[in-house]
Amino acid sequence: GAGVSQSPRYKVAKRGQDVALRCDPISGHVSLFWYQQALGQGPEFLTYFQNEAQLDKSGLPSDRFFAERPEGSVSTLKIQRTQQEDSAVYLCASSHPQGQDLLNYGYTFGSGTRLTVV
Amino acid sequence: AQKVTQAQTEISVVEKEDVTLDCVYETRDTTYYLFWYKQPPSGELVFLIRRNSFDEQNEISGRYSWNFQKSTSSFNFTITASQVVDSAVYFCALKGNFNKFYFGSGTKLNVKP
Repeated sequence: GAGVSQSPRYKVAKRGQDVALRCDPISGHVSLFWYQQALGQGPEFLTYFQNEAQLDKSGLPSDRFFAERPEGSVSTLKIQRTQQEDSAVYLCASSHPQGQDLLNYGYTFGSGTRLTVV
Repeated sequence: AQKVTQAQTEISVVEKEDVTLDCVYETRDTTYYLFWYKQPPSGELVFLIRRNSFDEQNEISGRYSWNFQKSTSSFNFTITASQVVDSAVYFCALKGNFNKFYFGSGTKLNVKP
């Protein structure tokens, strides 16, 4: 597609429920990132993939958070046993494989998945 | 440590007024990159501008201009003759390692007709 696609757009989960959030990056984009944006805050880094390799997961807040990108394209962010503090918008972004283009254009972000844990 | 501070939480202006959004950053890197993004109500982040730490030349793009000053660690963004369509949340960001970005908390701009 022309942009980064995320689904679902909205998700309401009961506390303790597991959720899976999907990201379809721009075709050909090697790098893929997940960010968490709490209400009224800026996005905070969660994890980074280059192809299928997860190169940095230092931002994942707990072991309940898990991300994968098994074939180097679509990525899934899974949250187990959701808690109220997990409520946020989860943004996915992908970047052009050429490093200079990343510096010129930054990431291309999706519209995010708004997760509400009740 | 990498940190971006946007002290202005929300700004309201009347259409055609000029408005400046402030951004102050902290980094120990000698080479770094600064960005501005716009987040409209639809939620996606739209890239506006990038600056390198070694290039302090200010930039103008239409009604937008950016003032980068290393001496004060600031990268401010000015919109001239604001329009209602400029209403959004604006984020300043600093690039760290492995392409990781550090975002400020954002400034919500309300432009009233």
